[in-house]
Amino acid sequence: QKEVEQDPGPLSVPEGAIVSLNCTYSNSAFQYFMWYRQYSRKGPELLMYTYSSGNKEDGRFTAQVDKSSKYISLFIRDSQPSDSATYLCAMQSGGSNYKLTFGKGTLLTVNP
Amino acid sequence: DSGVTQTPKHLITATGQRVTLRCSPRSGDLSVYWYQQSLDQGLQFLIQYYNGEERAKGNILERFSAQQFPDLHSELNLSSLELGDSALYFCASSVSQSTEAFFGQGTRLTVV
Repeated sequence: QKEVEQDPGPLSVPEGAIVSLNCTYSNSAFQYFMWYRQYSRKGPELLMYTYSSGNKEDGRFTAQVDKSSKYISLFIRDSQPSDSATYLCAMQSGGSNYKLTFGKGTLLTVNP
Repeated sequence: DSGVTQTPKHLITATGQRVTLRCSPRSGDLSVYWYQQSLDQGLQFLIQYYNGEERAKGNILERFSAQQFPDLHSELNLSSLELGDSALYFCASSVSQSTEAFFGQGTRLTVV
């Protein structure tokens, strides 16, 4: 079983839709959770960072973490064509191992 | 612009050769990560340095090595290159080992 599972999509939605992106994980040591957006052939851009269960909101983006279910989500409200990209979840356990473990990414297309 | 600078942006080289990829972290960041991204594998963790010391190692090949210098820039050395080493190589940096990581724009390596 992979440490981090993410549905690769592709996901196609109309402009203005609410988008839900999800990752599950198996390593209960993960403490820090991130969402990155990556445009084609560019570096991943950090969108959200959280280290506790619950919700964190930033503009049109809401990150949700449920440690008991080992499940994280990213919601995008009022999606725009410029949101079309690959979304990657990433997790980090801390302690003596700080590597970021990534999901494979979900390709999102927002159609005007 | 994340503040992480990677050079060169593109590199084309022949099999069997050796190349060096360079990363300048954001000002004040002590931790540097290296990742490899190929189409079928997603973002694979290679190695992490913190303030000049190696702190975590992923599935990095023996032909690959890295170091972080006193001025905190880092270099990734790839030797005896094979066609399968063609990929995007990303560097990321963070202030400490458990804070959000910011990625550079990557070096696209093509081995012919």
